[in-house]
Amino acid sequence: DIQMTQSPPSLSASVGDRVTITCQASQDIGNALNWYQQKPGKAPKVLIYDVSNLQTGVQSRFSGSGSGIHFTFTISSLQPEDIATYFCQQYDVLPFTFGPGTKVEI
Amino acid sequence: EVHLVQSGGEVKKPGESLRISCQASGYSFTNYWISWVRQMPGKGLEWMGRIDCSDSYTDYSPTFQGLVTISVDKSLSTAYLQWSGLKASDTAKYYCARLIQTGAAAGTFDNWGQGTLVTVSS
Repeated sequence: DIQMTQSPPSLSASVGDRVTITCQASQDIGNALNWYQQKPGKAPKVLIYDVSNLQTGVQSRFSGSGSGIHFTFTISSLQPEDIATYFCQQYDVLPFTFGPGTKVEI
Repeated sequence: EVHLVQSGGEVKKPGESLRISCQASGYSFTNYWISWVRQMPGKGLEWMGRIDCSDSYTDYSPTFQGLVTISVDKSLSTAYLQWSGLKASDTAKYYCARLIQTGAAAGTFDNWGQGTLVTVSS
């Protein structure tokens, strides 16, 4: 299985801050990388697909970059409603695997 | 609008069997795959498997192969996840998710059910 790691496991930031989360795959996955947001008690929601494509309806303050093994997710200006856990997910090889998550707090 | 509505929470005893459901609406059911994802209490997301809703072809994660069965009823636009002998370690929230399998965003879970909490306790 491809192992996905994320850092940091959690972070605390202020409203308006730029927040960056990294995701690393245990092998080259090309551009097969998505990012999800999960708010407490809710189902996950896709924000970014194929590394850098914004899902329809998602705010433009969210962005993604990277390729191969190293990937980055950025919130350009943190808002109170962004409090959530963020997961990366690879779909290059079965089984699909998720990162352990990064909890973002204010 | 796409909706995935899951069946309600369940409390079961070890060894019992269970089937939970995920009813889809708002799109052509057989044009997509459905995946199931486990989230144990306070933990991350684990992909369990996927099913092609057009022909019931399935793939399972090795972690869950032989432990669960994924199926669909096309006439009801409903996917199922079932166990034949639950364990306490199956206690978790289970999500169904629509999987885009071709074209742009292939490999993406673009719509999710609300989750079904399964509690297994003696």
